[in-house]
Amino acid sequence: DAKTTQPNSMESNEEEPVHLPCNHSTISGTDYIHWYRQLPSQGPEYVIHGLTSNVNNRMASLAIAEDRKSSTLILHRATLRDAAVYYCILRGDSGTYKYIFGTGTRLKVLA
Amino acid sequence: GAVVSQHPSRVICKSGTSVKIECRSLDFQATTMFWYRQFPKQSLMLMATSNEGSKATYEQGVEKDKFLINHASLTLSTLTVTSAHPEDSSFYICSASQGARDTIYFGEGSWLTVV
Repeated sequence: DAKTTQPNSMESNEEEPVHLPCNHSTISGTDYIHWYRQLPSQGPEYVIHGLTSNVNNRMASLAIAEDRKSSTLILHRATLRDAAVYYCILRGDSGTYKYIFGTGTRLKVLA
Repeated sequence: GAVVSQHPSRVICKSGTSVKIECRSLDFQATTMFWYRQFPKQSLMLMATSNEGSKATYEQGVEKDKFLINHASLTLSTLTVTSAHPEDSSFYICSASQGARDTIYFGEGSWLTVV
């Protein structure tokens, strides 16, 4: 399973945009990039996913590098409720399609 | 989004007893379900993958005789921790997918405390 690398923690001020990076240099051509976030004592919550093109939804935007070796989750206006651990996960197109979690990025939002 | 529900959300059991945790997909049929364990301040660790109607596939280092997984229907998977010990105390999370290429949705998690 391809691995991802994320910074352990990041801080952001409330109401400001946040860019959460993820490196996945060993990504294969059929791996989808998925982002989840986990609030304390809760299961992970789906945020967004993409393959090659940038993606937008009501929660966030996903910017994928042209070589697909990195991606960035963008929260356009951070709120206190966005404080969570954000996981970037690759999901392959073969095998059991299971998710292997890395350490994630703990986002702290400052009021 | 799709809803995956776990029950119980919290359970305390005595050392040596068995405890069952249920995972249900409420609005879709889940051909595949996954079970994770998470210790405080750590990431999720995949324990096993279960496919409806077949035996679960366990990750390396996970004792299949201790963590029994049953996926008897397309909406229900159960994890039974047998002969639980204090070191089994953890946050157990299930997830489900409608199909192999569909988004995976997670349950709320179940806290197990073995005393």
